[in-house]
Amino acid sequence: GQQVMQIPQYQHVQEGEDFTTYCNSSTTLSNIQWYKQRPGGHPVFLIQLVKSGEVKKQKRLTFQFGEAKKNSSLHITATQTTDVGTYFCAGDSTGTASKLTFGTGTRLQVTL
Amino acid sequence: DVKVTQSSRYLVKRTGEKVFLECVQDMDHENMFWYRQDPGLGLRLIYFSYDVKMKEKGDIPEGYSVSREKKERFSLILESASTNQTSMYLCASRDSHLYGYTFGSGTRLTVV
Repeated sequence: GQQVMQIPQYQHVQEGEDFTTYCNSSTTLSNIQWYKQRPGGHPVFLIQLVKSGEVKKQKRLTFQFGEAKKNSSLHITATQTTDVGTYFCAGDSTGTASKLTFGTGTRLQVTL
Repeated sequence: DVKVTQSSRYLVKRTGEKVFLECVQDMDHENMFWYRQDPGLGLRLIYFSYDVKMKEKGDIPEGYSVSREKKERFSLILESASTNQTSMYLCASRDSHLYGYTFGSGTRLTVV
């Protein structure tokens, strides 16, 4: 079945440093979504990417979808302590309203 | 504000018990999902439903069943709870493939 891997599993940065997490799918995706889960919380939808090579920005967060639609990345510029949490990508290979396959997640720790 | 409500935040059950986890959404969404979340494994899909009385197996359906008698409610049933079903269970709903999932707060189930 479809597999979605994320690296790194964990990253610890100092506040103000940049952070990137990478997501790779074993199959071509119709779209990819990103979620953030704060410690003790539940995943919250951040964004969806649909087009090959698409780049979207949300303030300090930049999301990219690869040309082959099999990989994606999330980059955070100048991290803040509020960025702490686990970031998940989730791929949809069917293009319908059916299930997503979630990545294993990257846990980000930010210290002052 | 849209909401997905899970009936219990924490549950402790004994091995062999039948366990019901309830999820209700107030967004009139067609699609509902049950995931379990375990450290290092991310979110894994148990079952999903795209309409009332319709259900499909996810990636790890063994030992679980579901019920969707009304559009707003999606129940996860552990027929005979076992210790390897100790986990965080997350319910989610989704309007269409254009939008992200809205998750409930989760139920942390411990089977002793």
